[in-house]
Amino acid sequence: DQQVKQNSPSLSVQEGRISILNCDYTNSMFDYFLWYKKYPAEGPTFLISISSIKDKNEDGRFTVFLNKSAKHLSLHIVPSQPGDSAVYFCAASAQGGGADGLTFGKGTHLIIQP
Amino acid sequence: DAGITQSPRYKITETGRQVTLMCHQTWSHSYMFWYRQDLGHGLRLIYYSAAADITDKGEVPDGYVVSRSKTENFPLTLESATRSQTSVYFCASRELYEQYFGPGTRLTVT
Repeated sequence: DQQVKQNSPSLSVQEGRISILNCDYTNSMFDYFLWYKKYPAEGPTFLISISSIKDKNEDGRFTVFLNKSAKHLSLHIVPSQPGDSAVYFCAASAQGGGADGLTFGKGTHLIIQP
Repeated sequence: DAGITQSPRYKITETGRQVTLMCHQTWSHSYMFWYRQDLGHGLRLIYYSAAADITDKGEVPDGYVVSRSKTENFPLTLESATRSQTSVYFCASRELYEQYFGPGTRLTVT
């Protein structure tokens, strides 16, 4: 039973346009959500996060939106750049700090086309 | 340099062998974690540790053993490796709400 779902295995976006990556969750106890970016042969790197008390968090070109009633979050990247091509993982924790680990989605491979 | 390191980066071992994956962090973070990444599964938690000498099971702990005698080290041992343990293993440590990952160890069990 997957508690964090990323239903799009891959997404292709033109350079300069907006990339929107989606994530759904089923566990109502999740209260903190994170996005990680992963390049091949490297570890995941933290990108941006959001607490369940907020509905939006912005950091430069990256914005995460949280819709608690729909149990849905999305990551917006504007404008998309070639270096954004990577696998993006959505993750969630149920104790605010992820003290007992994070639950990850399967990832979405974002491809930025020139 | 400060950060989190893993060794070896690549390992090939045979079924039934014992193998230990090392993880070292220089931040003095209390919490550390081991995940495995497999195609079609994303990252799954194997074990985690809240502090030295405190460890607990994650989602997929069977076949693995951990120890944490020092805050900075968190080794993961496969006591008798099986082919199903072929995977990429990531160690992470936690500061506040974010976890920071090492570069990973690609393990192949033949």
